[in-house]
Amino acid sequence: AQSVAQPEDQVNVAEGNPLTVKCTYSVSGNPYLFWYVQYPNRGLQFLLKYITGDNLVKGSYGFEAEFNKSQTSFHLKKPSALVSDSALYFCAVRDRDTGGFKTIFGAGTRLFVKA
Amino acid sequence: GAGVSQSPSNKVTEKGKDVELRCDPISGHTALYWYRQSLGQGLEFLIYFQGNSAPDKSGLPSDRFSAERTGGSVSTLTIQRTQQEDSAVYLCASSPSATNEKLFFGSGTQLSVL
Repeated sequence: AQSVAQPEDQVNVAEGNPLTVKCTYSVSGNPYLFWYVQYPNRGLQFLLKYITGDNLVKGSYGFEAEFNKSQTSFHLKKPSALVSDSALYFCAVRDRDTGGFKTIFGAGTRLFVKA
Repeated sequence: GAGVSQSPSNKVTEKGKDVELRCDPISGHTALYWYRQSLGQGLEFLIYFQGNSAPDKSGLPSDRFSAERTGGSVSTLTIQRTQQEDSAVYLCASSPSATNEKLFFGSGTQLSVL
């Protein structure tokens, strides 16, 4: 069975500082991994995905994430946080080897960026 | 519009009543998903449909919940005999046919059971 863990309910950073939002996953096969963001009063939006190849994936709004197979992690990062990055972030996993479409999300991490 | 459309945007119902929530996916998307987001909680997988395959219903929390997808397009999520704990935002998403594709989400239906 697939599962995703986001160990932090909330992450607080100062504007201009680097940010990391953690995600670990569990699948029986190999994963497709995704990050989505939910801004206040707006729908969920796709940020980036890992499919195969380069472990460092770059996405929208300057975000990036690094796939680490040995640690089964896919942490979201940004070198310099903006106040406008404050939102709810979700990590998601799909099992590539089963060929199915079932996509499981984590509990979400709320990011607060202080000016 | 070209996005995922959900209706109604808000639904208030009395405990014990049945409700139907509707989702119109993006045209041409073969996969359709339902999730539930409770206040302050993550996204709970409910069900997904892919093409003509049997749906994966493994996330439905009880037999009061059911969903169908007609003609490979529009989907309806039905909750029978609603309970207060069913109050949540119900989100629909669709995606193209490849398993490495991202999901496109609708704005959700806020369900309140009084």
